[in-house]
Amino acid sequence: EPEVTQTPSHQVTQMGQEVILRCVPISNHLYFYWYRQILGQKVEFLVSFYNNEISEKSEIFDDQFSVERPDGSNFTLKIRSTKLEDSAMYFCASAIAKNIQYFGAGTRLSVL
Amino acid sequence: KNEVEQSPQNLTAQEGEFITINCSYSVGISALHWLQQHPGGGIVSLFMLSSGKKKHGRLIATINIQEKHSSLHITASHPRDSAVYICAGDNTDKLIFGTGTRLQVFP
Repeated sequence: EPEVTQTPSHQVTQMGQEVILRCVPISNHLYFYWYRQILGQKVEFLVSFYNNEISEKSEIFDDQFSVERPDGSNFTLKIRSTKLEDSAMYFCASAIAKNIQYFGAGTRLSVL
Repeated sequence: KNEVEQSPQNLTAQEGEFITINCSYSVGISALHWLQQHPGGGIVSLFMLSSGKKKHGRLIATINIQEKHSSLHITASHPRDSAVYICAGDNTDKLIFGTGTRLQVFP
């Protein structure tokens, strides 16, 4: 069964460093999303992406964040200069249309 | 403000019991998603509904648009149903998540 793949499963970084979280959505899907979940808190929307551009973003998704679909298969989330409060589980999701979203297993980001 | 409220926060049940989890949402939400988050953190979509009722196996989801309320029911609950169940409201191109209901089913 097709699935959304996220790498790495755990990323440890120093504060101020850049990180890139990678996602391979399901191949025929057209809508892509990033979410985050701080430990013990609810899942929060970060950004949605369709037709090679951001369609919606949250207040969390400030200038430190960017997304890219560089080669038609990968969908990446970049955090330019990580802060301690960026430590969270980051989930990628994709959908063929605006309906059921398929989630990856997540990348746990630890900022030290 | 777009919000999604879930209840209860925690729920324990004996195997075989009928489970109901409730979700209320505010104006601006056009559809409701039910998700399951496993103890390891992975998220699985269960349903998306904008009207009526959907059923998949022992899971049933209903939505009342006028009352802005949705319920997730689990019939004949089993210990493997133990997880966090999350409702999320669909607001244009983003999901607004509830805080989740932690369900534990004991044998």
